[in-house]
Amino acid sequence: KAGVTQTPRYLIKTRGQQVTLSCSPISGHRSVSWYQQTPGQGLQFLFEYFSETQRNKGNFPGRFSGRQFSNSRSEMNVSTLELGDSALYLCASSLGLAGGTGELFFGEGSRLTVL
Amino acid sequence: QKEVEQNSGPLSVPEGAIASLNCTYSDRGSQSFFWYRQYSGKSPELIMSIYSNGDKEDGRFTAQLNKASQYVSLLIRDSQPSDSATYLCAVRGTSYGKLTFGQGTILTVHP
Repeated sequence: KAGVTQTPRYLIKTRGQQVTLSCSPISGHRSVSWYQQTPGQGLQFLFEYFSETQRNKGNFPGRFSGRQFSNSRSEMNVSTLELGDSALYLCASSLGLAGGTGELFFGEGSRLTVL
Repeated sequence: QKEVEQNSGPLSVPEGAIASLNCTYSDRGSQSFFWYRQYSGKSPELIMSIYSNGDKEDGRFTAQLNKASQYVSLLIRDSQPSDSATYLCAVRGTSYGKLTFGQGTILTVHP
């Protein structure tokens, strides 16, 4: 059974640009959550999608957005990139809404560097 | 106050000792509590979940929950060098709310 797949794995952007990250959940999983991980702030919750609907949202500015498609694949977009957006972006999938059990299966992440 | 706080660490214990990791949370209505382990350069993976007050044991791991004190802990008995990792406490808010992680505690088990 394939795990959570995130693309791209690494990317470098410059300030002001935008970026789109993609996440394919484990087959059969309907919930996708996104987290930002930095050494200083740890794992910060961005948003969670279930059945194409955003169910929970973290405290990030509107520059951060996401969506989920009918096949449960998800994308997140960051517009007008800032240096502070440099981080590892982790996607996690779970069987039901927020997993219920809390068992999130994480992808390997997309490491974004903003210059 | 942070939603989920962990003892800052890093924590260093000798092989064979008990490692104790602690976590407090602010949302009194939280119902679900989890411990994730993250090896350096890897993604987090779930190792324990606990929902009721008391202890839950799984092999060398014991999770303890005290909702009155808003406190959850993880004990690792007979610590091994392979247990060296960052341990993340995660708490789910009320009504299938978001899963919030603590900052993590770096554990090093030295031979």
